[in-house]
Amino acid sequence: AQTVTQSQPEMSVQEAETVTLSCTYDTSESNYYLFWYKQPPSRQMILVIRQEAYKQQNATENRFSVNFQKAAKSFSLKISDSQLGDTAMYFCAFTTSANFNKFYFGSGTKLNVKP
Amino acid sequence: DAGVIQSPRHEVTEMGQEVTLRCKPISGHNSLFWYRQTMMRGLELLIYFNNNVPIDDSGMPEDRFSAKMPNASFSTLKIQPSEPRDSAVYFCASSFGGTPDNEQFFGPGTRLTVL
Repeated sequence: AQTVTQSQPEMSVQEAETVTLSCTYDTSESNYYLFWYKQPPSRQMILVIRQEAYKQQNATENRFSVNFQKAAKSFSLKISDSQLGDTAMYFCAFTTSANFNKFYFGSGTKLNVKP
Repeated sequence: DAGVIQSPRHEVTEMGQEVTLRCKPISGHNSLFWYRQTMMRGLELLIYFNNNVPIDDSGMPEDRFSAKMPNASFSTLKIQPSEPRDSAVYFCASSFGGTPDNEQFFGPGTRLTVL
């Protein structure tokens, strides 16, 4: 079965600090892609960062980076220098080579950035 | 590009009424997805199309739900008859499918309330 687990329903962080959101997944496929999506109060889902499973180097996009541990099937998101605009729901997701059109989403983590 | 367009943004209806949600994908994208988001169940894939053809409708909850994609630029999700438990936010997303790193672009969602 293809599953995604986000064990932190809600987190808070002070502005300018660093926070890490955790995600674990399960798949028997060897070729897959991992994603973090952000859903701000506007409801618009926005891609934050993606990681190819065959790449060992962790992806980075400005203040956002991932810690990809393939053996542990872990894909955490680190947000550095948190900003008020980072307040949102964050969803971890993946697709596999069996069907790159089908995304599997986690239940989300609500992040509150406090001034 | 205007992005994925959904209408209406909000819909309030009474139990038993027919509801039609509409989606215009991004021009050039050949895959379209319908998701439902609720607090209880998170983000669920209902159905997706590839080149206007329904590929996987296993997420459609029951026969009251139907989806069509008559052409590459338009899709509908219909609920008939609607029930209070259908209340949710419905997202449409599109992508240029078939590539391993295809990003799904989401619309702003339709918030459906069935009284």
